[in-house]
Amino acid sequence: ELKVEQNPLFLSMQEGKNYTIYCNYSTTSDRLYWYRQDPGKSLESLFVLLSNGAVKQEGRLMASLDTKARLSTLHITAAVHDLSATYFCAVVRGSQGNLIFGKGTKLSVKP
Amino acid sequence: DTAVSQTPKYLVTQMGNDKSIKCEQNLGHDTMYWYKQDSKKFLKIMFSYNNKELIINETVPNRFSPKSPDKAHLNLHINSLELGDSAVYFCASSLTQYYGYTFGSGTRLTVV
Repeated sequence: ELKVEQNPLFLSMQEGKNYTIYCNYSTTSDRLYWYRQDPGKSLESLFVLLSNGAVKQEGRLMASLDTKARLSTLHITAAVHDLSATYFCAVVRGSQGNLIFGKGTKLSVKP
Repeated sequence: DTAVSQTPKYLVTQMGNDKSIKCEQNLGHDTMYWYKQDSKKFLKIMFSYNNKELIINETVPNRFSPKSPDKAHLNLHINSLELGDSAVYFCASSLTQYYGYTFGSGTRLTVV
């Protein structure tokens, strides 16, 4: 059974600081997604990572994938308040193709 | 134009009632899903349809019945609602079952 674990689940950081969210998954998968959810809102797609060593960047967020370690990271650079949200990683379950989500990391960026 | 639209956005109802949530996508995607997000924000797949055909039915009580009249629509009917059904239900669609999802805005169901 595919399991996806994120840590930390809660992250409070100051503006201007850097931090990394980790996403581990238990079985082989060929694609991994990161989503953002604002309170009371839907999920917004941030990144899709398709191969070992893939790195994608958008603004202050950078995602990477190591398929051998079954690990993805979401790195936040010089955090700003607007990044406060819950971030989910999700992995494709190979046999059926649907996404299995981690529990989410609730990020709070304080001035 | 909203890509994946769900109605209603909020639903408050009493235990024992039957209710439906509707979902429509205008992206031309083949695959549609229902996910449940509980109070701890955990997202769990309930059902998946590919071109009107059921392909995933997770261990969901049979009080929940999805219906897909065509590949652009996936509705969710819930019989005999229970307190534990309170959650946010998200509809999503994807080009095929191996691509990323576009999510609807969610339906917040509260059973009292």
